[in-house]
Amino acid sequence: GAGVSQSPSNKVTEKGKDVELRCDPISGHTALYWYRQSLGQGLEFLIYFQGNSAPDKSGLPSDRFSAERTGGSVSTLTIQRTQQEDSAVYLCASSLGAGLSGELFFGEGSRLTVL
Amino acid sequence: AQRVTQPEKLLSVFKGAPVELKCNYSYSGSPELFWYVQYSRQRLQLLLRHISRESIKGFTADLNKGETSFHLKKPFAQEEDSAMYYCALTSQGAQKLVFGQGTRLTINP
Repeated sequence: GAGVSQSPSNKVTEKGKDVELRCDPISGHTALYWYRQSLGQGLEFLIYFQGNSAPDKSGLPSDRFSAERTGGSVSTLTIQRTQQEDSAVYLCASSLGAGLSGELFFGEGSRLTVL
Repeated sequence: AQRVTQPEKLLSVFKGAPVELKCNYSYSGSPELFWYVQYSRQRLQLLLRHISRESIKGFTADLNKGETSFHLKKPFAQEEDSAMYYCALTSQGAQKLVFGQGTRLTINP
């Protein structure tokens, strides 16, 4: 497909379990972002990858959150020991290159519900 | 620190009426401002950016550095404008967008 692809689209898990969310960016896009979208909080930046540079992890809310990007393409966001406050829609976005033009292309998101 | 404030979580207007979605920002440097929109069951997408000074779907937004605002306006609202709107900020050379809390716009028939 031509767009950013995320999986799973919905995930329900029990408190304390680990979850992995996957993002497949647009081919050729070197920059990849993870955001969290929750009611009343807007879009919260989590982490940013650009090429082979060290990622900007400044938005990760705790050490339970981590992300990888393998081969400069697919990314996985991992949440360990999930808590109810982690329930949100996790959005992935990609853009063409370094130096933000403002055009981020978003996926449809992964809705996480922690019971 | 960069901050974007959208004071209205919900905004409801009648079809044909003017609409204004407010956005204020906090940044001491030279900002670049954007509006993103998410229609029902669609992906979040770019609506317009201030450097382009463009009108998209009848919407315009003017950057007012004195008031640190970037309000989104449309003179005559249409039902298909109902969506979630996010204002976003970055700066030249920066690597991420900072988003506001969003405003849900509902256009009543």
